[in-house]
Amino acid sequence: EVQLVQSGAEVKKPGESLKISCKVSGYRFTNYWIAWVRQMPGKGLEWMGIIYPGDSDTRYSPSFRGQVSISADKSTSTASLQWSSLKASDTAMYYCARQAYGRLFLDFWGQGTLVTVSS
Amino acid sequence: SYELTQPPSVSVSPGQTARITCSGEALPVQHACWYQQKPGQAPVVVIYKDSERPSGIPQRFSGSSSGTTVTLTISGVQAEDEADYYCQSADSSGTYWVFGGGTKLTVV
Repeated sequence: EVQLVQSGAEVKKPGESLKISCKVSGYRFTNYWIAWVRQMPGKGLEWMGIIYPGDSDTRYSPSFRGQVSISADKSTSTASLQWSSLKASDTAMYYCARQAYGRLFLDFWGQGTLVTVSS
Repeated sequence: SYELTQPPSVSVSPGQTARITCSGEALPVQHACWYQQKPGQAPVVVIYKDSERPSGIPQRFSGSSSGTTVTLTISGVQAEDEADYYCQSADSSGTYWVFGGGTKLTVV
C-alpha cells in the first residue's frame, strides 16, 4: 500500500528555520517524483516544486525558487521541505504528493502538515 | 509566470450537469488533470491526461480539451460532488507545474 506520511504540525516564530518531512512507503522511493504543494488558509493549491529522489533533480516554481529548499534522503525514503527564515506569510498547509509514473498528475498525497508562523 | 484560469464558483441543482473550465496558453501542448478537494481533506485526482478517468472515479466525471481550454464535466451531479475543483498542468516547456485558482462547486 502506497503511503506518504508527513511530519506533525509546527508553530514557529518569524525568522526561525524549519524542515518538514514526508516519509513514503509501499513503493520504490527513488523511482517517482515527489512534489510539494502549498495551501494557504482558505485559498487554493499552489505547486511549489518537485524532486526526483533517484538523482535529486529538483525543479521549483518561479514563485518559490529561493524561498524554500526541497531535498530527499534515499536512506530513509523521506522527502523534505525546508525554510531558512520563516515569514508570517508562510502560514499554510503543506502537502507532499507523488507524481504518477510518467504522468502529469499527483496520484498519492500525504495528509498535510500545518505550519503556523506567528510572533 | 504561467497561469491557469478557472471560474471561482459554479452552482448546479442535483441531477443537472456541471461544467468547469480551465484556460491556459500552454494547454494545446500540455495535458491537464483535475482534482477534487473536500474540506479538511487532501485533493484527489478525478481526471488526468485531459480526459482519462482513474479507477474508482464515478463515470459521471469526464474531461475534454479544446485549444487553450480544458473542461471538467460532471453529469447527474450529486450532493456528494460539492467540493473545490482544481485543474493542473505544466508550462509549455514542462519545467514546472501549475494549479488553476480553483472552482467551488455548490449543489443547491
